[in-house]
Amino acid sequence: NAGVTQTPKFQVLKTGQSMTLQCAQDMNHNSMYWYRQDPGMGLRLIYYSASEGTTDKGEVPNGYNVSRLNKREFSLRLESAAPSQTSVYFCASSSTDHTEAFFGQGTRLTVV
Amino acid sequence: AQSVTQLDSQVPVFEEAPVELRCNYSSSVSVYLFWYVQYPNQGLQLLLKYLSGSTLVKGINGFEAEFNKSQTSFHLRKPSVHISDTAEYFCAVRHKAAGNKLTFGGGTRVLVKP
Repeated sequence: NAGVTQTPKFQVLKTGQSMTLQCAQDMNHNSMYWYRQDPGMGLRLIYYSASEGTTDKGEVPNGYNVSRLNKREFSLRLESAAPSQTSVYFCASSSTDHTEAFFGQGTRLTVV
Repeated sequence: AQSVTQLDSQVPVFEEAPVELRCNYSSSVSVYLFWYVQYPNQGLQLLLKYLSGSTLVKGINGFEAEFNKSQTSFHLRKPSVHISDTAEYFCAVRHKAAGNKLTFGGGTRVLVKP
């Protein structure tokens, strides 16, 4: 059972480059989320998708875009990477009752 | 907006000693409460959750937490820690009415010393 799968696991970008972080879940969950994790700040919500075809901003959406491609996949795009976006990014999903979120293994992104 | 405060950023503790990690949340309405654990270079794993019912919740690996509505707290405890409990622990809150958004505290890093 794969759960939530994120790719890539590591990435180094130069300032101004773009990239897309991929996330897929195989639990038939309606809701999916993107968080970033920075030391001492816990996890902060970037965007979430309550269901296929809908997306909403979270706490820190600036500089990011998302696409809920289908029920399984939820991607996060950085159009023009900045050093402030150096972080560990986690994708998560949950069922309709929202009683538990399942997390991927994370993507460690460094912007130089 | 809901907020979650974990009062201790780091907690050093000796093996076989008890540990308590404190968590307070701001919401005054009905909430779901969670504790997650993150081992080095890994994702987050659910330790336990409070949805309703008994205020004392038992989770995996011998952890338990107590929901205190009047103090808006959800402190995590373990009576005797092991070296393998070295990890970062996150408290999280979700509004029952809000549904989707899961808000995390800043995390508490537990270092178990032999």
